[in-house]
Amino acid sequence: DADVTQTPRNRITKTGKRIMLECSQTKGHDRMYWYRQDPGLGLRLIYYSFDVKDINKGEISDGYSVSRQAQAKFSLSLESAIPNQTALYFCATSAGGRTGELFFGEGSRLTVL
Amino acid sequence: GQNIDQPTEMTATEGAIVQINCTYQTSGFNGLFWYQQHAGEAPTFLSYNVLDGLEEKGRFSSFLSRSKGYSYLLLKELQMKDSASYLCASTGTGGFKTIFGAGTRLFVKA
Repeated sequence: DADVTQTPRNRITKTGKRIMLECSQTKGHDRMYWYRQDPGLGLRLIYYSFDVKDINKGEISDGYSVSRQAQAKFSLSLESAIPNQTALYFCATSAGGRTGELFFGEGSRLTVL
Repeated sequence: GQNIDQPTEMTATEGAIVQINCTYQTSGFNGLFWYQQHAGEAPTFLSYNVLDGLEEKGRFSSFLSRSKGYSYLLLKELQMKDSASYLCASTGTGGFKTIFGAGTRLFVKA
């Protein structure tokens, strides 16, 4: 089983709908991140969290919100989805420390029509 | 602010050596990463440099020059399975968040 699990893996929705992407991890890491990936733009940081009560905005947080329900769970919400939020979304975790290596989930492909 | 630049695409031949360059400008610096990402898959960690110099790990090596804001990833004895995107990323002061470049798509041909 994957250490970082994202659900759903694929989702098609309509403009204006509320969408939640969920991420859970069994690595015991404190740090969790949400990135989106678009062709030609690479991975862009949306939000990150270092603890259950800690939420920080990344490069492109407008139109998104997050919730850190527990150390192992970090969910991303789109309150009112729009077509330019069509992208591949990755959750990642990190133990921090010397290297801060990121461990990624398998990705959630979201299409907003 | 932070800015990371790397070539969009490169092509190389099986068995050869390829060098993928990356330049970065970051507010604070806590390390330079390389990740590999095969099409349709998640990125996976390849290397980390925080001090100047070359880090070697099997067929892959990564170099860092902090004064020049420059890094490269060197892949030796290329194999077809090395066809993937290679993502350069840097972490700012405190190592709190990692910012990625757009990635370099490497095509390995027979």
